[in-house]
Amino acid sequence: QKEVEQNSGPLSVPEGAIASLNCTYSDRGSQSFFWYRQYSGKSPELIMFIYSNGDKEDGRFTAQLNKASQYVSLLIRDSQPSDSATYLCAVNANQGGKLIFGQGTELSVKP
Amino acid sequence: GAVVSQHPSRVICKSGTSVKIECRSLDFQATTMFWYRQFPKQSLMLMATSNEGSKATYEQGVEKDKFLINHASLTLSTLTVTSAHPEDSSFYICSAGETSGAWETQYFGPGTRLLVL
Repeated sequence: QKEVEQNSGPLSVPEGAIASLNCTYSDRGSQSFFWYRQYSGKSPELIMFIYSNGDKEDGRFTAQLNKASQYVSLLIRDSQPSDSATYLCAVNANQGGKLIFGQGTELSVKP
Repeated sequence: GAVVSQHPSRVICKSGTSVKIECRSLDFQATTMFWYRQFPKQSLMLMATSNEGSKATYEQGVEKDKFLINHASLTLSTLTVTSAHPEDSSFYICSAGETSGAWETQYFGPGTRLLVL
């Protein structure tokens, strides 16, 4: 079983819709959770981080964490074509330690 | 957000030469920096964890004598690809950990694209 799992996609949504990206992790002791966006040919860019159960909102983005179910999700409201990218879920089990990445979900927002 | 720079952004070199890549945290101090490699259409692969003032910790299968890492200060880590060969051509990305309270967040540099001829 992979430590961090994401659907590879591609996930295709129409412009203006809500895109829902999901991630599950295996280490129940995981402490912090991150979503990065990576455009083709570029390096990852931090979108959101979340440490506590529940929702965290930042603009059009909402991260949701459920430690009991070991999943973290990212919702993108009012999706735009510029949101088309690969979204990487990352989990840090130990502070100061390395991140464990999922394989990424490719999102395509169609005009 | 915190800013991480990398230099150079792109390098082309002949087989057998060595290439040094710099990673700097511009507006924060990073005790820990990380080096990744990414081949086209593939996931990020962690190569090593670089700790300021101590030896780097390499991931399994990464040759420490080929990929030399130095983390001389809290804002600078370097990766030297020694005796580069065409199979080392890849996208090399560093990240730096910014600590806030009990939490650390990794910010990525823009990456260095290496082409070995």
